[in-house]
Amino acid sequence: GQQLNQSPQSMFIQEGEDVSMNCTSSSIFNTWLWYKQEPGEGPVLLIALYKAGELTSNGRLTAQFGITRKDSFLNISASIPSDVGIYFCAGPPLSGTYKYIFGTGTRLKVLA
Amino acid sequence: DTGVSQDPRHKITKRGQNVTFRCDPISEHNRLYWYRQTLGQGPEFLTYFQNEAQLEKSRLLSDRFSAERPKGSFSTLEIQRTEQGDSAMYLCASIGGFGANVLTFGAGSRLTVL
Repeated sequence: GQQLNQSPQSMFIQEGEDVSMNCTSSSIFNTWLWYKQEPGEGPVLLIALYKAGELTSNGRLTAQFGITRKDSFLNISASIPSDVGIYFCAGPPLSGTYKYIFGTGTRLKVLA
Repeated sequence: DTGVSQDPRHKITKRGQNVTFRCDPISEHNRLYWYRQTLGQGPEFLTYFQNEAQLEKSRLLSDRFSAERPKGSFSTLEIQRTEQGDSAMYLCASIGGFGANVLTFGAGSRLTVL
């Protein structure tokens, strides 16, 4: 199935470090969503973006809607052990359907 | 509002058996989605409903899979003659309300086919 490309695929970081990840697509999106998923659970929404260039924060998390509308970025500042999980970007391509597609995920591991 | 509920959370079955999963969306949400997620992958779209109408189906949804949402409320996903490749987490999500575009997910139903 169609998926968005996320990088990096995985990362190990030290507690307290900042983290950056991105999501790219060949299609234009009018909404970008960022989710976090922990083992055995469904994805939980972190941030929603609705406009090109938009920068939105949720606590230590900041996400941006790329100006080209084909990418998005998520930053986590001062990471803590509970940030461990898999982060997914998602959205409906601007193609007239309500089909939401998901990225391949970035697996984050935080070393205390 | 208790969120999106899925049942069962875990199902172990033998190859060739039929299984059915149920999803109860958030009550005022009119769109309901099914996704499949295998280990190490992102959720893959299977199908979605607007009220009781099934509006789009992925090519991943073979003829052994069928989904229904008979009264526009809960939905069921049935897999007939299960195969080992069907082992995955099946996720349900819903969206609703004017201008809403955020998927809210359930905890998922994990299927293991022996």
